[in-house]
Amino acid sequence: DTEVTQTPKHLVMGMTNKKSLKCEQHMGHRAMYWYKQKAKKPPELMFVYSYEKLSINESVPSRFSPECPNSSLLNLHLHALQPEDSALYLCASSQAWDSDYEQYFGPGTRLTVT
Amino acid sequence: KNEVEQSPQNLTAQEGEFITINCSYSVGISALHWLQQHPGGGIVSLFMLSSGKKKHGRLIATINIQEKHSSLHITASHPRDSAVYICAVYPMRFGAGTRLTVKP
Repeated sequence: DTEVTQTPKHLVMGMTNKKSLKCEQHMGHRAMYWYKQKAKKPPELMFVYSYEKLSINESVPSRFSPECPNSSLLNLHLHALQPEDSALYLCASSQAWDSDYEQYFGPGTRLTVT
Repeated sequence: KNEVEQSPQNLTAQEGEFITINCSYSVGISALHWLQQHPGGGIVSLFMLSSGKKKHGRLIATINIQEKHSSLHITASHPRDSAVYICAVYPMRFGAGTRLTVKP
């Protein structure tokens, strides 16, 4: 199984809502990533988890809160988002937190903040 | 200046043409990745390169570490190759992408 799954596929939320994005992989990968991608732009790294510990936070606002409950699961909790946070949120995983490993991407969650 | 530069930004080709996308980088790397993203969002990893050349079907990727340059070639292009091609140095340095459209 070389699949990274993400739910939901689409999410519309108001600025006062709290929602969560979920990402799952069963490849035994020990590194998991959240990326944000705006239209016609490349992905921007948000967070890296390595062995279930947060290794990198790319100065992401606190309204985005990541969580890695176990080695297969990665969540992104959303609260008090702004319309400019509307984007495609991609999850990825790799064997380890190292550039020599291929990253496997999920299909993404398309988020709209109203 | 972006640490990973791609060219061209947009490319339109006729079916059957030979396609070349270029990527230059200014950082030290151990590997460079070529990715494909179709409309709708999903990203697929095409190649991971640390030296030389790799081939998969009609796709060929080369890298010159001394010159800090990589190329992605598509032979006998097909409309289904239409996508955005991105070179990346993981985990955080991505080229801006090349939007390829192959017309029948």
